[in-house]
Amino acid sequence: AQTVTQSQPEMSVQEAETVTLSCTYDTSESDYYLFWYKQPPSRQMILVIRQEAYKQQNATENRFSVNFQKAAKSFSLKISDSQLGDAAMYFCAYRTPTYNTDKLIFGTGTRLQVFP
Amino acid sequence: SAVISQKPSRDICQRGTSLTIQCQVDSQVTMMFWYRQQPGQSLTLIATANQGSEATYESGFVIDKFPISRPNLTFSTLTVSNMSPEDSSIYLCSVLRDRASTDTQYFGPGTRLTVL
Repeated sequence: AQTVTQSQPEMSVQEAETVTLSCTYDTSESDYYLFWYKQPPSRQMILVIRQEAYKQQNATENRFSVNFQKAAKSFSLKISDSQLGDAAMYFCAYRTPTYNTDKLIFGTGTRLQVFP
Repeated sequence: SAVISQKPSRDICQRGTSLTIQCQVDSQVTMMFWYRQQPGQSLTLIATANQGSEATYESGFVIDKFPISRPNLTFSTLTVSNMSPEDSSIYLCSVLRDRASTDTQYFGPGTRLTVL
């Protein structure tokens, strides 16, 4: 079974600085998708960035980028120029399309605090 | 993306009662899902809501406890039956417009349920 591990329950960063959140996963599949979702106190799950496993190039979305290491099964999120609005829970997720479902498997989350 | 609404946004219920949560999407989608997020925890998939047929439940979740309906391609309900305090969680609806590899699950704002 696929699993997703986030080893950092909490992280903190100073405004305008850079922070990296870690995520590792375990799978025997060769084709899959990885995501980072953000959940602010409003509890709305917001997609931050996605990565297709078949793509070697790391995904980027403005201040957010990933370091995808397929062989190491690692998928870290880098937030550059951190802003106060980045404070939230961040969940790493793995997508596994199967016959009659298309489930996301989530890690346990990392709480990011941003200090002014 | 898709605009997803959930009703109610929160509720406080007595043990032994049932609550039905509604999820409405602004456009037709292929797949709809229900997740549970227990306090301080990550998200766990309850079931995939199938239009016109019985939902597909994940291990540990059963239809008698979490009956799900999906009468059309834009609407689904989740009922939490015979509630106990252990059912206190955030329940989130998510959708997938189609199963193409380029698609992504988007989430509703969640329903915060407290069972006394």
